[in-house]
Amino acid sequence: KQEVTQIPAALSVPEGENLVLNCSFTDSAIYNLQWFRQDPGKGLTSLLLIQSSQREQTSGRLNASLDKSSGRSTLYIAASQPGDSATYLCAATYNNNDMRFGAGTRLTVKP
Amino acid sequence: KAGVTQTPRYLIKTRGQQVTLSCSPISGHRSVSWYQQTPGQGLQFLFEYFSETQRNKGNFPGRFSGRQFSNSRSEMNVSTLELGDSALYLCASSLTGVYTEAFFGQGTRLTVV
Repeated sequence: KQEVTQIPAALSVPEGENLVLNCSFTDSAIYNLQWFRQDPGKGLTSLLLIQSSQREQTSGRLNASLDKSSGRSTLYIAASQPGDSATYLCAATYNNNDMRFGAGTRLTVKP
Repeated sequence: KAGVTQTPRYLIKTRGQQVTLSCSPISGHRSVSWYQQTPGQGLQFLFEYFSETQRNKGNFPGRFSGRQFSNSRSEMNVSTLELGDSALYLCASSLTGVYTEAFFGQGTRLTVV
């Protein structure tokens, strides 16, 4: 069964702190892994896409890594800001474009 | 470049009615996927369309159906609405599906009373 788990479910940090969000998947036969951000009541904003052949991707203060063999991905956020407060979701894509989502990590960055 | 557009943003329907939701993908994108998001179940895959053909389907009852038009716009229909169908319905567009980045719309919030 293709399941995606995110730890922790919620995280609260002071502004300026570096933090890591974790994502694990049970089936390593993924095509890619994508990280999203979701603000309350809104749609998903794509942050980073890592293809199965890649090990990491970077965009600004965000860095995502992928380890297929261990079934894990991490999202690193540097120098967190209050505007980073949102729910972060990871999604593993399998064949036929079936994206399996984790339940998300709700991040709060306190000023 | 315009993003993914979903209409309407909000809907209130009565049990037993049917509803049609619309999704206009990013220009040039041929794959459209639909997801249901609820607090209890999270994001669940409904189906994917590519070049007007349903390419993949999730584990939802036949009351949930969809279609895609030649311009890649997609519609999702839910018949005989149930209270449990209340959710945020999201569509995602991508160039070809697998291997390509998915971009989501703002969603349609459906409330069934």
